Amino acid sequence: SQQGEEDPQALSIQEGENATMNCSYKTSINNLQWYRQNSGRGLVHLILIRSNEREKHSGRLRVTLDTSKKSSSLLITASRAADTASYFCAEETSGSRLTFGEGTQLTVNP
Amino acid sequence: DTEVTQTPKHLVMGMTNKKSLKCEQHMGHRAMYWYKQKAKKPPELMFVYSYEKLSINESVPSRFSPECPNSSLLNLHLHALQPEDSALYLCASSPTVGAGEQYFGPGTRLTVT
Repeated sequence: SQQGEEDPQALSIQEGENATMNCSYKTSINNLQWYRQNSGRGLVHLILIRSNEREKHSGRLRVTLDTSKKSSSLLITASRAADTASYFCAEETSGSRLTFGEGTQLTVNP
Repeated sequence: DTEVTQTPKHLVMGMTNKKSLKCEQHMGHRAMYWYKQKAKKPPELMFVYSYEKLSINESVPSRFSPECPNSSLLNLHLHALQPEDSALYLCASSPTVGAGEQYFGPGTRLTVT
């Protein structure tokens, strides 16, 4: 499978700061999703943005999508120590396959 | 109930053993998935079941054999595994294939010795 790239690979910030993670993908998508994973656990769905949408908000999360650049970004505002986790973007393509990016490890220091 | 459960949480098996992983959901979802995740890597899709029928097999070796006995249950039968098969195996479900959000279980940590 053609996995997308995420940057940065690791991000360390202080509580209260904003965290921005970027994702690039390779194919035409139906939608792009963001998931969170605490160490060694299952993934939790955060937000989905469809290919005809450009921006979406959910609580402290803001996702943008640029289909011309095949890229997306996830912004977490006013971060908390509990936001410490790995964050993955996932492109859903025809055939309903989810292909995950390499992930960003976010550490929020109290 | 919005939970996907997986058993066992941890499994250690020898290369000649036969074991099974189990996944269960009671959300009425008709699509279920198996993923494999190696340490510090993203999950990789293995199998997709839609309405209890196998719809996607991502060229997974035959030592992994999936089974969907009913709409709530998904099994992964393991036989003659290799040490490189050690990984976190994640099950997920969604209302239908292509419905967007997938609900993941906590995973089974498999170690092959």
